[in-house]
Amino acid sequence: GDSVTQMEGPVTLSEEACLTINCTYTATGYPSLFWYVQYPGEGLQLLLKATKADDKGSNKGFEATYRKETTSFHLEKGSVQVSDSAVYFCALTNTGGFKTIFGAGTRLFVKA
Amino acid sequence: NAGVTQTPKFQVLKTGQSMTLQCAQDMNHEYMSWYRQDPGMGLRLIHYSVGAGITDQGEVPNGYNVSRSTTEDFPLRLLSAAPSQTSVYFCASGTTGYGYTFGSGTRLTVV
Repeated sequence: GDSVTQMEGPVTLSEEACLTINCTYTATGYPSLFWYVQYPGEGLQLLLKATKADDKGSNKGFEATYRKETTSFHLEKGSVQVSDSAVYFCALTNTGGFKTIFGAGTRLFVKA
Repeated sequence: NAGVTQTPKFQVLKTGQSMTLQCAQDMNHEYMSWYRQDPGMGLRLIHYSVGAGITDQGEVPNGYNVSRSTTEDFPLRLLSAAPSQTSVYFCASGTTGYGYTFGSGTRLTVV
């Protein structure tokens, strides 16, 4: 079945450091890929998405590129801020469908 | 404000009690779903619906029922609460390819 694997956390960075959170997936067909962010005590918020191979999703300085050849969708940011501290979830939705499978989440701590 | 509204935000149940978690959206999304979030396990899909009158099971449906009589509402029923159902429950709605809008969650404790 479909699955999403994320790097384990927590990830601890200093402010202005570069961030990469790895995400790989297994799916049949051509899924859409997403990153969601969850701040403490809140629900998940859609951060960015990509719907086909080589698409790059971007938002709030975060980027991720849909790599079909490596089945990956790594999340990157060039300079993190304390306010980026949260849990980040990689997810996929299968072709033409609605069901979304989530990774286990990666907690990010950013120190001032 | 447009979005997904979940009630209640917190609930404590005794083992064996039943209850309904409410979820409503005002964005005319055809797809709605319920997830539970447990530490270290990400989000697991309980039930989902692709439109009024249509529901299906997700990964962990046992002990839960759903119905979808309108586009807006998608309640989740716990039939006989067990301590293993202690979790945070999220309702989400969306359309194909655009991602989900999540509610703020219901924190349920079963004692």
